[in-house]
Amino acid sequence: GNSVTQMEGPVTLSEEAFLTINCTYTATGYPSLFWYVQYPGEGLQLLLKATKADDKGSNKGFEATYRKETTSFHLEKGSVQVSDSAVYFCALSSNSGYSTLTFGKGTMLLVSP
Amino acid sequence: DSGVTQTPKHLITATGQRVTLRCSPRSGDLSVYWYQQSLDQGLQFLIQYYNGEERAKGNILERFSAQQFPDLHSELNLSSLELGDSALYFCASSPRLAGGTTDTQYFGPGTRLTVL
Repeated sequence: GNSVTQMEGPVTLSEEAFLTINCTYTATGYPSLFWYVQYPGEGLQLLLKATKADDKGSNKGFEATYRKETTSFHLEKGSVQVSDSAVYFCALSSNSGYSTLTFGKGTMLLVSP
Repeated sequence: DSGVTQTPKHLITATGQRVTLRCSPRSGDLSVYWYQQSLDQGLQFLIQYYNGEERAKGNILERFSAQQFPDLHSELNLSSLELGDSALYFCASSPRLAGGTTDTQYFGPGTRLTVL
């Protein structure tokens, strides 16, 4: 079946540091890949997505590239801010017609001033 | 604001009871999904409806059921509640049933269920 593995957190960084959160997946076929973010006390918000190999999703300074050869979709940001503190979820959706999402366990990011 | 609404925001109840969670999808979205988020299991897909019909089932217990009504809002019914059912329950919606491409799912703010 489908599965997503994310690096365990928390990831603790100082403001303006470089961020990488690793995500690898197992899936049949050609899934679409997503990063969702959950701010404290809130629901999930779509951060970025990529629907085919070598696609790069980007939003708000975050980016991730769909790497089929390494089955990875690592999230990066060049300079984090305190306001980026949140839990980040990597997810995949198989293009089988039902679009259900399989999530990783989430990685908490804590950014200090 | 994703445009997906969920009520109530918080729900506290006792073991053995039954509750109903409600979700209104974004205007025009035909698919509704229910997810459960708990500390030990993470985020898990429960069930999907498309235009009133059940389309996919995930790790949904037999004590749980859902439906989607003609106006496209959906309800998740949880019965014979146990302590372990305490969790955040999210609803998401997307425009259509994917057929080769994947629609983005937009999540509501969630309902936090506490079973005492």
